[in-house]
Amino acid sequence: KNEVEQSPQNLTAQEGEFITINCSYSVGISALHWLQQHPGGGIVSLFMLSSGKKKHGRLIATINIQEKHSSLHITASHPRDSAVYICAVSPPYGGATNKLIFGTGTLLAVQP
Amino acid sequence: EAGVAQSPRYKIIEKRQSVAFWCNPISGHATLYWYQQILGQGPKLLIQFQNNGVVDDSQLPKDRFSAERLKGVDSTLKIQPAKLEDSAVYLCASTKWGRTSATETQYFGPGTRLLVL
Repeated sequence: KNEVEQSPQNLTAQEGEFITINCSYSVGISALHWLQQHPGGGIVSLFMLSSGKKKHGRLIATINIQEKHSSLHITASHPRDSAVYICAVSPPYGGATNKLIFGTGTLLAVQP
Repeated sequence: EAGVAQSPRYKIIEKRQSVAFWCNPISGHATLYWYQQILGQGPKLLIQFQNNGVVDDSQLPKDRFSAERLKGVDSTLKIQPAKLEDSAVYLCASTKWGRTSATETQYFGPGTRLLVL
């Protein structure tokens, strides 16, 4: 079982729909990251959060530390949101390593 | 501020050939990461540098992969000889401080897409 699990693996939505992508993790963390990867390959960091909720434009990320769960929401989705969304976690600060543990990603396709 | 630069963007080689990738991190960033991302999977850390020293290379296949960051700035990753299973996107990322600080955002380059035939 992967330490970071995402669901769904694939998601197709119609333009304008509200989208939710989920991430669950089984290890202790200092922070959780949501990343966006477009077909060209480059990755952009969307959010880094350790508690509560963050909002940037139409994107909202929430985290529940007790339940070890995070969600990424996209409101009023648009075809340009089509990408792979990756959840990753940072290990607790002060440990042997600070390398990220990645989920396998959620492929989102928003159709016009 | 310029982002993380990588080259080449694409490379096609035959198995048993050699290939090298280059990465220039964001200016002033102490920590540099090389990741391998196989299609359909999340990135896997190959090696992490703090300045010009190696912090973590536990998942680097050292019989064929090598990496260096001689002056603590840019870095090269080499595969020699390449195998079919090395086909992947190779991503470089950097952070300002690295393991000596609290959690930071990693800044990724555009990646190099390698196809081994």
